[in-house]
Amino acid sequence: DGGITQSPKYLFRKEGQNVTLSCEQNLNHDAMYWYRQDPGQGLRLIYYSQIVNDFQKGDIAEGYSVSREKKESFPLTVTSAQKNPTAFYLCASSSPGRNQPQHFGDGTRLSIL
Amino acid sequence: AQSVTQLDSQVPVFEEAPVELRCNYSSSVSVYLFWYVQYPNQGLQLLLKYLSGSTLVKGINGFEAEFNKSQTSFHLRKPSVHISDTAEYFCAVSSSASKIIFGSGTRLSIRP
Repeated sequence: DGGITQSPKYLFRKEGQNVTLSCEQNLNHDAMYWYRQDPGQGLRLIYYSQIVNDFQKGDIAEGYSVSREKKESFPLTVTSAQKNPTAFYLCASSSPGRNQPQHFGDGTRLSIL
Repeated sequence: AQSVTQLDSQVPVFEEAPVELRCNYSSSVSVYLFWYVQYPNQGLQLLLKYLSGSTLVKGINGFEAEFNKSQTSFHLRKPSVHISDTAEYFCAVSSSASKIIFGSGTRLSIRP
């Protein structure tokens, strides 16, 4: 079955440490997205990519970095510059066009040790 | 610019009762609207979408939504809820060609 796989489901980070969250899709979608979800705040866009080797900052990109070397993969690195990284992170993908819905993975919950 | 407002952060309802989750939007371009559901510790799942045509949109799990252009609303309804409908529901509007703006969510809690 086609879908989006996020790993790991739970991740712990020490102070000053970078961590990378994985997102892989086999839906053949061109666009991919990373969101951060905090209680009561809905989803906030971190980065998005419309095509391989290209990506744009979203609303809260500071302290995060991404790469898009393959169509199927869009990893997110939470750097030590992100001072409040504890959150639920969601990856999504879609086909091009404003009328296309986004499809989501099951998320990664990141916590600080 | 596009925006979405979900008027209720929490909605408690008894099992088998009807429910309406409210959503208002603003958009300066043609509107594409979505409702998503999120169960605990999971990602979002598409419930239904309005792209064009009939203003009454039917989705999965017995949910439906009505697009009202004059009131800029896209409320979600279900005539009879079940315990399994306990989840958070997000209304969303398509922004630019590659971005969707999400509301802050409504937590639906079902009482037996």
